[in-house]
Amino acid sequence: GAVVSQHPSWVICKSGTSVKIECRSLDFQATTMFWYRQFPKQSLMLMATSNEGSKATYEQGVEKDKFLINHASLTLSTLTVTSAHPEDSSFYICSARDLASGTDYEQFFGPGTRLTVL
Amino acid sequence: QKEVEQNSGPLSVPEGAIASLNCTYSDRGSQSFFWYRQYSGKSPELIMSIYSNGDKEDGRFTAQLNKASQYVSLLIRDSQPSDSATYLCAVNYSGNTGKLIFGQGTTLQVKP
Repeated sequence: GAVVSQHPSWVICKSGTSVKIECRSLDFQATTMFWYRQFPKQSLMLMATSNEGSKATYEQGVEKDKFLINHASLTLSTLTVTSAHPEDSSFYICSARDLASGTDYEQFFGPGTRLTVL
Repeated sequence: QKEVEQNSGPLSVPEGAIASLNCTYSDRGSQSFFWYRQYSGKSPELIMSIYSNGDKEDGRFTAQLNKASQYVSLLIRDSQPSDSATYLCAVNYSGNTGKLIFGQGTTLQVKP
């Protein structure tokens, strides 16, 4: 149980284009998903909290107009990196909470999406 | 600023030894504590969760929590080369929406 998938697993794009990353909870409903970014040799940095049916909550310093988050259903959240630039190249990872498990603060991570912007 | 501190390592132990990973946190109101393992190039994988003071054992892993000292640790018995990874400590602080604060991680190297 508690499986989270991400798509795509890696993407290469040109500077100025937009990239959409999908995060799905496969065997449970996730009212809350989280989006992280991780640069090489660094820890996870929380970008935003995605709540089903409402606006995402962004962490300080994260541009909400650049990183668009949509959580339209209980099993799907998407992150769109708009007008991507080389400095946006990173490992993007989503996680989800399974509220039905009784241990709702546990977060289960997707496999991540490696974005390279040329 | 709520913080979670870990020694970045690397921590090097011989195969079969006990690896001890430590983590301190700043907020006394913290409720939930987690250890994640992250292999290079992969996403984190939940190993252990602990919510109350004391020890919690799961196979070769033992998590230890001391809320008075604001300290949580992970012991790995009979360490194997496949345990070589970065171990992330994560804390859920009181009064938030379930966000986890991660430490910087400790890199463990188990040498055959």
